[in-house]
Amino acid sequence: NAGVTQTPKFQVLKTGQSMTLQCAQDMNHEYMSWYRQDPGMGLRLIHYSVGAGITDQGEVPNGYNVSRSTTEDFPLRLLSAAPSQTSVYFCASSYLRDQPQHFGDGTRLSIL
Amino acid sequence: AQSVTQLGSHVSVSEGALVLLRCNYSSSVPPYLFWYVQYPNQGLQLLLKYTTGATLVKGINGFEAEFKKSETSFHLTKPSAHMSDAAEYFCAVIRASGGSYIPTFGRGTSLIVHP
Repeated sequence: NAGVTQTPKFQVLKTGQSMTLQCAQDMNHEYMSWYRQDPGMGLRLIHYSVGAGITDQGEVPNGYNVSRSTTEDFPLRLLSAAPSQTSVYFCASSYLRDQPQHFGDGTRLSIL
Repeated sequence: AQSVTQLGSHVSVSEGALVLLRCNYSSSVPPYLFWYVQYPNQGLQLLLKYTTGATLVKGINGFEAEFKKSETSFHLTKPSAHMSDAAEYFCAVIRASGGSYIPTFGRGTSLIVHP
């Protein structure tokens, strides 16, 4: 019973590099979302998806891209990494948009 | 815009003492309300939720919260703190508006439990 799986757990990038954070869930949840967590800021929504082929922007979408080709996977792409994107990134999923979310263990990303 | 305010970034209690973590939301419409807990180097886990019905909600690990519409509050309590309760706690709201459901989290309260 894996739940929400995020890879990698840790990553260090140089400014300007691109990378994809992976997120997969095995609960057949329609709703998936990406957050970033910064000290004293709580969780801020980056992008979310209400089903395969449907994505929308959250509170802080700039510099990030997402796609949802399957129900299970929801990757987050950093197009050109910047030091301001140093953060802990969490992926979450839920059966419906108004239901509790299940979170992955996070990806700790440092941009040098 | 929907927002969530958690009073106190840090709360310190002694083991066995009452735990009270405060959460207020800004809305005239009863939203969906949640409390999550985050242990170090882990993701968030659901403690309890309020959607409709009984305003006193019981969750896991002895925690409970009371929805008070008149005060727009959803404070989290536990009668007796354990050392294992030390963690970060987040209040969250999901407000439905025009077909859009945007989860909003508070900034978190770190619970410190002293022996």
